[in-house]
Amino acid sequence: QKEVEQDPGPLSVPEGAIVSLNCTYSNSAFQYFMWYRQYSRKGPELLMYTYSSGNKEDGRFTAQVDKSSKYISLFIRDSQPSDSATYLCAMSAMNTGFQKLVFGTGTRLLVSP
Amino acid sequence: GAVVSQHPSWVICKSGTSVKIECRSLDFQATTMFWYRQFPKQSLMLMATSNEGSKATYEQGVEKDKFLINHASLTLSTLTVTSAHPEDSSFYICSACQKDQPQHFGDGTRLSIL
Repeated sequence: QKEVEQDPGPLSVPEGAIVSLNCTYSNSAFQYFMWYRQYSRKGPELLMYTYSSGNKEDGRFTAQVDKSSKYISLFIRDSQPSDSATYLCAMSAMNTGFQKLVFGTGTRLLVSP
Repeated sequence: GAVVSQHPSWVICKSGTSVKIECRSLDFQATTMFWYRQFPKQSLMLMATSNEGSKATYEQGVEKDKFLINHASLTLSTLTVTSAHPEDSSFYICSACQKDQPQHFGDGTRLSIL
């Protein structure tokens, strides 16, 4: 069993839709949770990061962490074709901080005009 | 802020040559830099972690003599793929972070060995 599970997709939605991207994990020691966006042939771009449980909002993006269920989500409101990319979740434990990231395999998102 | 620049973005070379990839943090001093490898449609695989002025820590299975890492300053790390062969062809990505801050990634280097 992988430490972090993420549906590879692709997830296809029409422009303007609300997108929900999710990851589950098995290691209860994870405390830092990140979402990265990766365009084709580019490096990952940090979208949001949270510590422990709770919600965090930044513009059209909302990150949620439910530690009791070992489940994290990224919501994208009013999705745009420019949001089409692969979204990677990443997480790490308190004792390693942001040093040792465990990545999901990424979910490919396609937003059609 | 937190811009990481990686150069070159794409390199093609003959088997047996060595290739150097540079990673620079442009607007911050990076306490730690990381090198990853990514295969098509797969996630990132950490190769090594380096701190300025000290030897890199390599992940299990990564050949130290094949992938030489130098972290000479707080803003520059280099990865040299020595005597590269076709199986070394891949997408190499560096990242950098400040203390207690998340990693920021460069745009990657596509390495093709003929």
